[in-house]
Amino acid sequence: KNEVEQSPQNLTAQEGEFITINCSYSVGISALHWLQQHPGGGIVSLFMLSSGKKKHGRLIATINIQEKHSSLHITASHPRDSAVYICAVIDNYGQNFVFGPGTRLSVLP
Amino acid sequence: NAGVMQNPRHLVRRRGQEARLRCSPMKGHSHVYWYRQLPEEGLKFMVYLQKENIIDESGMPKERFSAEFPKEGPSILRIQQVVRGDSAAYFCASSPLAGGAYEQYFGPGTRLTVT
Repeated sequence: KNEVEQSPQNLTAQEGEFITINCSYSVGISALHWLQQHPGGGIVSLFMLSSGKKKHGRLIATINIQEKHSSLHITASHPRDSAVYICAVIDNYGQNFVFGPGTRLSVLP
Repeated sequence: NAGVMQNPRHLVRRRGQEARLRCSPMKGHSHVYWYRQLPEEGLKFMVYLQKENIIDESGMPKERFSAEFPKEGPSILRIQQVVRGDSAAYFCASSPLAGGAYEQYFGPGTRLTVT
């Protein structure tokens, strides 16, 4: 069974700061997803990665398959980025997500 | 193209009653996943269904919980004889194809409160 860890658990940043959230997992995966859960509870899928790096606007996600590690970066952070960011993986045997505990980000104006 | 729809958005049940949660996947999606988020906890997988088939129910409690995804109509997550510990947010997600290499689109969730 895959164990997914995230760090930090909580993060407070000032508007404009560069933010990094880390995710590590214990067994091989077929894909890793980064999700964003807003304060109201809705969940949005940000990225799906199986290798390399993806960029969407101010968000960048990278994955290192050998080290079983992924990072989510937010450049020029903004208060509207305040949310819980969740890493989720699907291993090579299953078809369902195993979720990390989430990182709660607060960006202050 | 409407997104994933869930209803009701909020549901209050007394202990011992039944709760029925509905999920309509995105148009063209035949794979549905249900997840539960207990208060102040992370998301947990419950069940994965395709039309008329349960593919993986390893995350669903063996008693009182059942799920279906009929040929016509929404997917239903049914909780019989609810207890206070069932109070949680229940999310469903859909995808067009199976496996982790495809994005899942999440519904807004149903918040179940058991009094």
